[in-house]
Amino acid sequence: EIVLTQSPGTLSLSLGERATLSCRASQKVDNNFVAWHQQRPGQAPRLLIYGASRRATGIPDRFSGSGSGTHFTLTITGLEPEDSAVYYCHQYGSSPPHSFGQGTKLEI
Amino acid sequence: EVQLLQSGGGLVQPGGSLRLSCAASGFTFSSFAMHWVRQAPGKGLEWISLISNTGADSFYADSVKGRFTVSRDNSQNILYLHMDSLRADDTAVYYCQGGAWGQGTMVTVSS
Repeated sequence: EIVLTQSPGTLSLSLGERATLSCRASQKVDNNFVAWHQQRPGQAPRLLIYGASRRATGIPDRFSGSGSGTHFTLTITGLEPEDSAVYYCHQYGSSPPHSFGQGTKLEI
Repeated sequence: EVQLLQSGGGLVQPGGSLRLSCAASGFTFSSFAMHWVRQAPGKGLEWISLISNTGADSFYADSVKGRFTVSRDNSQNILYLHMDSLRADDTAVYYCQGGAWGQGTMVTVSS
């Protein structure tokens, strides 16, 4: 089973700044099948990025994903108040079980 | 618009059973594998099951293997999760996911 480790655990930034969230896998993720999901308080998660770098429908281009192999990054530019949330990386590349990281809480 | 509308859930006694449903619309349901994910109160996301687009293959996390069964009806665009032998540590919000996420449904296992 691939274990995903996200860092930092909590990130406190100001409006307009850039956030960089890291996700490291315990082994190579096949086909770079990594997704990023945003979960605002009291809401269901929302898909932001899939295939490591492809934005989901309706996601603004302030959100971008990068990385390959075992290290993946979610970058959010021009932070807005509604970006306050927990962000989870998710690998779905290998044969199941699939897995999620423990989450990074972003405070604006 | 892609939508996943969940139903089912509720309060069940330990050892009991429950079935969750997830009705899909706005995309070609039969073309996509689907997942079930759960979130215990105050905790992170836990992947628990995957079913292939045809329903021929299914996979489970060790925590639910042998107790939960995932299925789908591609003619009705519905995904199911049948849960047996429920335990207190199965208490969580359960989400269906296939690109988009369902709204979630709470399952509470308690006497």
